[in-house]
Amino acid sequence: GEDVEQSLFLSVREGDSSVINCTYTDSSSTYLYWYKQEPGAGLQLLTYIFSNMDMKQDQRLTVLLNKKDKHLSLRIADTQTGDSAIYFCAETDSGAGSYQLTFGKGTKLSVIP
Amino acid sequence: GAVVSQHPSRVICKSGTSVKIECRSLDFQATTMFWYRQFPKKSLMLMATSNEGSKATYEQGVEKDKFLINHASLTLSTLTVTSAHPEDSSFYICSARDRQGWQPQHFGDGTRLSIL
Repeated sequence: GEDVEQSLFLSVREGDSSVINCTYTDSSSTYLYWYKQEPGAGLQLLTYIFSNMDMKQDQRLTVLLNKKDKHLSLRIADTQTGDSAIYFCAETDSGAGSYQLTFGKGTKLSVIP
Repeated sequence: GAVVSQHPSRVICKSGTSVKIECRSLDFQATTMFWYRQFPKKSLMLMATSNEGSKATYEQGVEKDKFLINHASLTLSTLTVTSAHPEDSSFYICSARDRQGWQPQHFGDGTRLSIL
């Protein structure tokens, strides 16, 4: 079945760039997502990328997709303390029709002031 | 942007009580909504897919009679935890996707359920 893997922890200094990595196994993945979860809250959609794209940039966020290696990354430029949260990588195979998401376990980003 | 409202945000009740959680899409119509359960420091576990006007599709291991799902309109799905027990205590999150073309899932803020 589908599997999404990501490292569990990342610690960066305020102002530095953060890079959160994710790998997935389903070659049928058509959309890949990054969600942010703050303590006690739901998931906030940060960005997503279609599988025929290599890169997507949205303000401080840059998503890179290497489809050959099934590797997805999220770069946060000028990381702020407000970026401290858990970041979930997720994928879906829209061709399957169910639009169900397969999540990674989440990466806890800690920003050091 | 797309907004999903989940209510209540927190429930504390006695064992044996049934608890209803609502999930509403505020500015779009959602043919499909999803219900997740999240354990502390864990990822989201899909419980069921809620389809407007038809029966929900439950994931393996999720008791249909325990977790009743109703999706009576294009903007509202409800999850009822029947005869709740302490082991049902968890964080429940819903999501919805706009039925217009392809759209990502948008999540509610979650419901913290505590059964005493």
